[in-house]
Amino acid sequence: SVLTQPPSASGTPGQRVTISCSGGSSNIGSSAVNWYQQFPGTAPKLLIYTDNQRPSGVPDRFSGSKSGSSASLAISGLQSEDEADYYCAAWDASLNAKVFGGGTRLTVL
Amino acid sequence: QVQLVESGGGVVQPGRSLRLSCAASGFTFSSYAMHWVRQAPGKGLEWVAAISYDGSHKFYSDSVKGRFTISRDNSKTTLYLQMNSLTAADTAVFYCATDPTWIGGLTYFDYWGQGTLVTVSS
Repeated sequence: SVLTQPPSASGTPGQRVTISCSGGSSNIGSSAVNWYQQFPGTAPKLLIYTDNQRPSGVPDRFSGSKSGSSASLAISGLQSEDEADYYCAAWDASLNAKVFGGGTRLTVL
Repeated sequence: QVQLVESGGGVVQPGRSLRLSCAASGFTFSSYAMHWVRQAPGKGLEWVAAISYDGSHKFYSDSVKGRFTISRDNSKTTLYLQMNSLTAADTAVFYCATDPTWIGGLTYFDYWGQGTLVTVSS
């Protein structure tokens, strides 16, 4: 994948977990980052857009940040229902294409 | 409420063609850019193609360029994906998604359909 995410992450209920997403100057470095949440067998859902904006209905436990060519998704007050796959994405100006990270499977221990 | 319903998936032999449709309702379809995103079994998300709100601009991933064609009919509020020369590597669930921006640096997918499965196998 053009964007690099750790394949897995974990935490205990109530903890704060962060998921990283690393790219380059042609994508994260120059475009807005989005984050998507996907449960098995279901369609992805928009979690964060334009680096750090939450759509209505997304709990404020979820937050996004970006610095240079890297971005992060933070989940505070971890809950069992947060166990899912998380994907980062950005437009790549060199490829003229939307690129995704490989996804991070979050496990709530 | 926004509804996106994909159809047209199924089992197809390598080298054959298939056309996917995405019927949209609950929003002003003609004001939104639209995308196709696919997910191979057990794999991550892969962006496939995008079309501007009026159909004047189209973008494709390198993996489908020259084989797939994205189009839309705003009068029917329907998005299409014509897929030719299919190979086993195209086996995936295909999702359509809305994009409230002009395709580019701010692009994001705010609504997704439930997906349709395309299986390329002899």
